[in-house]
Parts: sequence; C-alpha cells; structure tokens
Amino acid sequence: DSGVTQTPKHLITATGQRVTLRCSPRSGDLSVYWYQQSLDQGLQFLIQYYNGEERAKGNILERFSAQQFPDLHSELNLSSLELGDSALYFCASSTRAVGYPDTQYFGPGTRLTVL
Amino acid sequence: ILNVEQSPQSLHVQEGDSTNFTCSFPSSNFYALHWYRWETAKSPEALFVMTLNGDEKKKGRISATLNTKEGYSYLYIKGSQPEDSATYLCASRGEGAQKLVFGQGTRLTINP
Repeated sequence: DSGVTQTPKHLITATGQRVTLRCSPRSGDLSVYWYQQSLDQGLQFLIQYYNGEERAKGNILERFSAQQFPDLHSELNLSSLELGDSALYFCASSTRAVGYPDTQYFGPGTRLTVL
Repeated sequence: ILNVEQSPQSLHVQEGDSTNFTCSFPSSNFYALHWYRWETAKSPEALFVMTLNGDEKKKGRISATLNTKEGYSYLYIKGSQPEDSATYLCASRGEGAQKLVFGQGTRLTINP
C-alpha cells in the first residue's frame, strides 16, 4: 500500500458525459501527478500540482482539467467524454516539487470505461 | 521530447534463474531514472531512483545500474521467484522537468 488513495476504483459512463476522479496523496506529500494509461500505451503524464498550484502540464486535453485543494487532495475532471478516453487513470504523489529526484508513489488507479 | 524504450517487451524465465532487462533513454538533459514494479490490479511500486552515472542500487534480489553517458539502465533479478512476475517499468526525468516519461515496460513471467 503506497498511501495514495483514489476513488472510484471503476467508473462506467457514456459518451458526452462528465466525470470526476479523486486522489488523496500520501500524508505529507505536497505534489500530485496525474497519469493516463490507455490500451497499448505507456503511462502518459497529464498534469502536476504542487501545494495547490499547477506546476507542469503534459499531454492533457482541453476537455480535461484538474485542481488541488487546500487539504491537498486533487480532482481530475474529464468532460465531453469520448470512447478513446477509456483508460486507467493514476494519481501519484511526492514530497517535493522541483530540485530533487524524489520518488513518485502511485495510487491504485481508476479504470474509466466510456460506452 | 524524451523517448524511453524498454527491451524485451516480455520475458519468460524459469524459477531460480537470473534475468535482466534494459531501459534506454536520451542521455542529453538527463536528471533521474526511476524503476517501478507493477503487478496486475495493483499500483506501480517504486523500486529505485538513480541519478549519477555508475549508480548501482540493490533491493533484495533486485538490483539496477545506470549509465547516463550512453543512456541506459539495466535491471537484474537474481534467482527469480514466482512472486517476481510483474511488469517492470522504467521512467526518465529530464533536467528541470517534473514529469516522468515511462517506457512500455517489460512483462516478466516466472515459470515454476
């Protein structure tokens, strides 16, 4: 158990809908990262937050957005869902933001299925 | 854009045998190399973080080496056990970047 929690574990929804994935980082970690794993693709970085502020952005679609709240939990919002958004979404957390190659600890993931 | 390659894609090894696999990454602008072990239906589990050329890390029967000049890292497993069956992921991080760029992984199966 990494200490990172994600809810829900599974999510099934229809095209065009909007969903919210939630992540709670390890106690004391200030950085939260979101990754997407689609079929036949490696883990793709989406976005990073550090202590409530966006720090880095990857290949995140405009239909997707994220935020980190004062209690440091983070939410990833996916809207106007398409079939291709079906994937495993991971959240990871680490202690620092920059300047040190600290370990990113991964949550169990949320499997999103868009029908 | 970093491109991280892992080989082989999959590997079947007899219990008790030792094995190793490779992670290749761009050597320019390198900052850190991470190894993760990912069992089906579980979270990727952090194994090692390495930064310096010549780094060697060990955790039980698993060890890893790093060559930043030529851009590769090896992961070794000594005396494979069935519980070593998993996908092993490596991820590279560039200087000044926060994101990890992952390879596709090496899927290891240990045959009893």
